[in-house]
Amino acid sequence: DAGVIQSPRHEVTEMGQEVTLRCKPISGHDYLFWYRQTMMRGLELLIYFNNNVPIDDSGMPEDRFSAKMPNASFSTLKIQPSEPRDSAVYFCASRLTLGEQFFGPGTRLTVL
Amino acid sequence: AQSVTQPDIHITVSEGASLELRCNYSYGATPYLFWYVQSPGQGLQLLLKYFSGDTLVQGIKGFEAEFKRSQSSFNLRKPSVHWSDAAEYFCAVGGGGSYIPTFGRGTSLIVHP
Repeated sequence: DAGVIQSPRHEVTEMGQEVTLRCKPISGHDYLFWYRQTMMRGLELLIYFNNNVPIDDSGMPEDRFSAKMPNASFSTLKIQPSEPRDSAVYFCASRLTLGEQFFGPGTRLTVL
Repeated sequence: AQSVTQPDIHITVSEGASLELRCNYSYGATPYLFWYVQSPGQGLQLLLKYFSGDTLVQGIKGFEAEFKRSQSSFNLRKPSVHWSDAAEYFCAVGGGGSYIPTFGRGTSLIVHP
């Protein structure tokens, strides 16, 4: 099993640009999570899906952030427009209903 | 609401010494508890979990943790630390129907040779 796959691994962009982060969960997992990790705030849950449906997006910081899961094998997290304070490592994780979370390697985003 | 406190931001130990990382949680019912490890530049990896049963849980890489309900704690231990154990360690608590975990701020483990 390839595990949770995230792309890109690194992203450098300029303020105001649109950023799209991608995630492929482990096949068969029915929960998908997006996290953001920073030194200041630690690991924050942004949003999670169950069976492709967004369940709780209360952690999404602003309307500039949006997430979709068009099918069971793909999810995106979009930031538009991006700002320097969005610089962080973004993790995707997936799991079965009663199981442990498996994390992807993360995307390190730098907004200049 | 559930919450997790990891009181130690950094812990420094010598290689071969024993280790204990502290975790205190707040949850109104029986919690599900987890310890994850994050190596630099990597995602989080599960070390061990407690759902029910024996309160002493064995995990990977020689780690164990003990659930103490009376103290609301789930401390992580290892009898002899290796240099490769240097990493960030996260405790998490979850519960309810979907048990979405809440993570602590993490403890950074530094291992001296």
